[in-house]
Amino acid sequence: GENVEQHPSTLSVQEGDSAVIKCTYSDSASNYFPWYKQELGKRPQLIIDIRSNVGEKKDQRIAVTLNKTAKHFSLHITETQPEDSAVYFCAASEGKAAGNKLTFGGGTRVLVKP
Amino acid sequence: DSGVTQTPKHLITATGQRVTLRCSPRSGDLSVYWYQQSLDQGLQFLIQYYNGEERAKGNILERFSAQQFPDLHSELNLSSLELGDSALYFCASSAVGGAHEQYFGPGTRLTVT
Repeated sequence: GENVEQHPSTLSVQEGDSAVIKCTYSDSASNYFPWYKQELGKRPQLIIDIRSNVGEKKDQRIAVTLNKTAKHFSLHITETQPEDSAVYFCAASEGKAAGNKLTFGGGTRVLVKP
Repeated sequence: DSGVTQTPKHLITATGQRVTLRCSPRSGDLSVYWYQQSLDQGLQFLIQYYNGEERAKGNILERFSAQQFPDLHSELNLSSLELGDSALYFCASSAVGGAHEQYFGPGTRLTVT
């Protein structure tokens, strides 16, 4: 089955700086890679996703890149703000054959210092 | 608000007991997924239903079972509860087929004492 590794496990940045979180996956059949933001005690919230036929996707201050050959994808947050503080999870989906289930990375706790 | 609802919000019960968690997907979504989130295991996929039928299974314990009803709501049944079953249980829903966005409900926090 799929295995997703996520680094770093914690990330502390100064407000206004950029944050980068990296994930690797093991199954070359995976074709969908979402990122979720989870605040303490709340539900994971989908913030951006990318499909395997796309190399990069941007949405305002967040962007995701995908390197299918190397089997890794990254989340970039620019101009970080205190409200970006949360735990971020990457995930990979093996698609319809595997029921579209998501395999999650271990999470990155991001702290944005004002 | 994702449009996915879960009840109850909190559940406290004793070891050996049985509980049922309920999930209603977003309007129009046919797929329901159940995930368990514990401190040491992160977010783990348990089981998926699509339009009433089981579609995929993760590392779900034999003590756990689920079903999806004709109105598409789903229930996760946890029996012979152990202390280690204490966790947040999330359901998520998605639209038909393909690799598609999953939207999570607010979760049920289960505490087994």
